[in-house]
Amino acid sequence: EAGVAQSPRYKIIEKRQSVAFWCNPISGHATLYWYQQILGQGPKLLIQFQNNGVVDDSQLPKDRFSAERLKGVDSTLKIQPAKLEDSAVYLCASSLDGTGIRTEAFFGQGTRLTVV
Amino acid sequence: DAKTTQPPSMDCAEGRAANLPCNHSTISGNEYVYWYRQIHSQGPQYIIHGLKNNETNEMASLIITEDRKSSTLILPHATLRDTAVYYCIVRVPNTGTASKLTFGTGTRLQVTL
Repeated sequence: EAGVAQSPRYKIIEKRQSVAFWCNPISGHATLYWYQQILGQGPKLLIQFQNNGVVDDSQLPKDRFSAERLKGVDSTLKIQPAKLEDSAVYLCASSLDGTGIRTEAFFGQGTRLTVV
Repeated sequence: DAKTTQPPSMDCAEGRAANLPCNHSTISGNEYVYWYRQIHSQGPQYIIHGLKNNETNEMASLIITEDRKSSTLILPHATLRDTAVYYCIVRVPNTGTASKLTFGTGTRLQVTL
């Protein structure tokens, strides 16, 4: 089966610019996650969707970050305006959940963002 | 709000078993234990999960203590390719905020020749 697709793989922007990341989860997966991983740290959950709804966005800096999941499938994560400390790898993941027993999450390769 | 505690690093000789411990003393009755690993420059990869019974798959074995307050991930014959950061996570799937997949700092496993 096809994995989680993310684009772009790399992005370099200047501070105060805006940027968007795209994620296409595995077909049929109800839950979608966005993580931020700063070098040397574990992934930090930014937002978790189940279908169209938000399960948790408590660690999403809502003054500059936004995310949406269209029709319960693809998702975009936007940063506007970017700060130097936003330099990180942004990981998208999806899991089947729902009523099935297959609840493991599958991760994409990530987008490496550098803010200069 | 870390729910698990893991040693920051471990070493293991290639071909030997790697036993990675995780403490989750505040685990609730319906929380599962999940293990993921992250090889350098890749996204995390699912390894195994369990509720209370020991589990085994093609990658590893998961041993959960009877009181469920701790668990051990066992890689029976570690290879250099198993060098990675290993994360232990507790969650309840399909249950809203309790289903959050929250990573801690993990254990950095170094497999050596």
